[in-house]
Amino acid sequence: GESVGLHLPTLSVQEGDNSIINCAYSNSASDYFIWYKQESGKGPQFIIDIRSNMDKRQGQRVTVLLNKTVKHLSLQIAATQPGDSAVYFCAGYLGAGSYQLTFGKGTKLSVIP
Amino acid sequence: DGGITQSPKYLFRKEGQNVTLSCEQNLNHDAMYWYRQDPGQGLRLIYYSQIVNDFQKGDIAEGYSVSREKKESFPLTVTSAQKNPTAFYLCATCGTGVAMEKLFFGSGTQLSVL
Repeated sequence: GESVGLHLPTLSVQEGDNSIINCAYSNSASDYFIWYKQESGKGPQFIIDIRSNMDKRQGQRVTVLLNKTVKHLSLQIAATQPGDSAVYFCAGYLGAGSYQLTFGKGTKLSVIP
Repeated sequence: DGGITQSPKYLFRKEGQNVTLSCEQNLNHDAMYWYRQDPGQGLRLIYYSQIVNDFQKGDIAEGYSVSREKKESFPLTVTSAQKNPTAFYLCATCGTGVAMEKLFFGSGTQLSVL
């Protein structure tokens, strides 16, 4: 079936370094992807999104890259801070006109002070 | 958060008991969703509703039921048929009710079995 998945379940980075979290998807018809941040015991918080007509989108300290050829997207966090420690999920609508947002299993980012 | 209220924060269920999780929103959003999250896992869709008095099953609807009588409210009932209900339940909303928009999430309800 259709899926969205992350490459690594955990990632540790030094404070101040850049973080890169990767995600792959299985459906070529996917049109829209979202990155969420989830802190322990809380609901997911929207970080940034990207549609298939774009290759790159930037926010505050975050950048999402989309490579449709290899069905891969990544979230880059610049100058990682302790407050960035959380679980990060990529999510996508797999199929045109879909109402079902499908989530990967998440990558836990730990920031080392 | 911020306009989506889930209650209670923690809920305990006894064997054979039905329990209802509340989700209320004041964002005037058309679509509402229920997801289940197990430890170390992603979110799995239980039910969703695009408009009042209409809802559709997601990937794991068995053992759950919902209603959408008001735009603001989308309660989830975990029935006794759900044999493994322990999980973190998340309600989400989407503004337009059309396909492929970002979801906003509540703060979740942790359901445990006594």
